[in-house]
Amino acid sequence: DAEITQSPRHKITETGRQVTLACHQTWNHNNMFWYRQDLGHGLRLIHYSYGVQDTNKGEVSDGYSVSRSNTEDLPLTLESAASSQTSVYFCASSWGDTQYFGPGTRLTVL
Amino acid sequence: AQSVSQHNHHVILSEAASLELGCNYSYGGTVNLFWYVQYPGQHLQLLLKYFSGDPLVKGIKGFEAEFIKSKFSFNLRKPSVQWSDTAEYFCAVKDTDKLIFGTGTRLQVFP
Repeated sequence: DAEITQSPRHKITETGRQVTLACHQTWNHNNMFWYRQDLGHGLRLIHYSYGVQDTNKGEVSDGYSVSRSNTEDLPLTLESAASSQTSVYFCASSWGDTQYFGPGTRLTVL
Repeated sequence: AQSVSQHNHHVILSEAASLELGCNYSYGGTVNLFWYVQYPGQHLQLLLKYFSGDPLVKGIKGFEAEFIKSKFSFNLRKPSVQWSDTAEYFCAVKDTDKLIFGTGTRLQVFP
């Protein structure tokens, strides 16, 4: 079955370290998204991509970057992790008007 | 840009009670609206969506939502909740190709 996966599912890192969260989908969807979920804020869009070599900033993009070298993957990089980036991160891809979400990555920055 | 408000942050119900969760979006015109559910420890799943046509939309697991254009609302309803409905519920509106989410409503259902 086609699916969307994220790795790792849990990560603990230290302030200042570079961290990359992986997102892989097998649906061949062009559109992919990264969100962070925080209590009281719901889901906020970090970055998104409409296809290979296309990336766009979302609502809360500071401190994050993405790259899209193929259709299946959209890795999210925290250039220098900060405690404020402790959160649950969700990747999603979309076909038409519906987004499909991955299982999430819980990131803790100490 | 669009925004979404969910005024009920935490709802506690007993099994068999009726449920209504509020959702309001910021401005009119053509809107695509969604309700997603996140069960404990799981990822978000689509409950239902509205694009056009009949303003009463039926989704999975007995949920429905009514689009009321004059009130900018898309409230989620279920006539009789079950313990297994305990989850967080998110309303979302489509803005170009992106989804704008509300802050979510945590529903706890007690047996």
